[in-house]
Amino acid sequence: DAGVIQSPRHEVTEMGQEVTLRCKPISGHDYLFWYRQTMMRGLELLIYFNNNVPIDDSGMPEDRFSAKMPNASFSTLKIQPSEPRDSAVYFCASTATGDLNIQYFGAGTRLSVL
Amino acid sequence: RKEVEQDPGPFNVPEGATVAFNCTYSNSASQSFFWYRQDCRKEPKLLMSVYSSGNEDGRFTAQLNRASQYISLLIRDSKLSDSATYLCVVNTFPGGGNKLTFGTGTQLKVEL
Repeated sequence: DAGVIQSPRHEVTEMGQEVTLRCKPISGHDYLFWYRQTMMRGLELLIYFNNNVPIDDSGMPEDRFSAKMPNASFSTLKIQPSEPRDSAVYFCASTATGDLNIQYFGAGTRLSVL
Repeated sequence: RKEVEQDPGPFNVPEGATVAFNCTYSNSASQSFFWYRQDCRKEPKLLMSVYSSGNEDGRFTAQLNRASQYISLLIRDSKLSDSATYLCVVNTFPGGGNKLTFGTGTQLKVEL
């Protein structure tokens, strides 16, 4: 299996622009998680899905952030408009029912908002 | 108070040394505990689960003290390749669903 695949790996954009991050979970996994990692706050859970349905989005910082999972093999995290404080590494992770405590992470998207 | 607290380090140790990391968690209802490892500019990966009876995997030993809400990781005979950030991770269930809460990590640097 190729593992969790995220794109792009790096994104540099200007303040106010829309940013879309993409994730393909491991085939057969029914849980998908979006995290944000910064030096100050560490790894924070933004939102997670089960069977393509958002279960908990309490970690989404504000309305500028939105996430979708239109099917079992694809999810997006969108920031509109982006701000410099959104600069961070965004990770996607997936796991399967029956193995819930082991999350498999993608390589992450390093976002810089100028 | 943070849900999971760790000493950020860095811990700089010579090769062959024994090093221990500690972690405390605030929610007494927490059910499952783990250590993840994150190499520089890489994604986190599961290192080992932590059981009440304590468990060992080669040079790594993890222990849990539920009464004190304290988790530890011991690395013996440390190698250069052990240099990484070690994340203490807690799953609070029920109520926490399938959410893992990560500590901010303890950085280890093993030197020649």
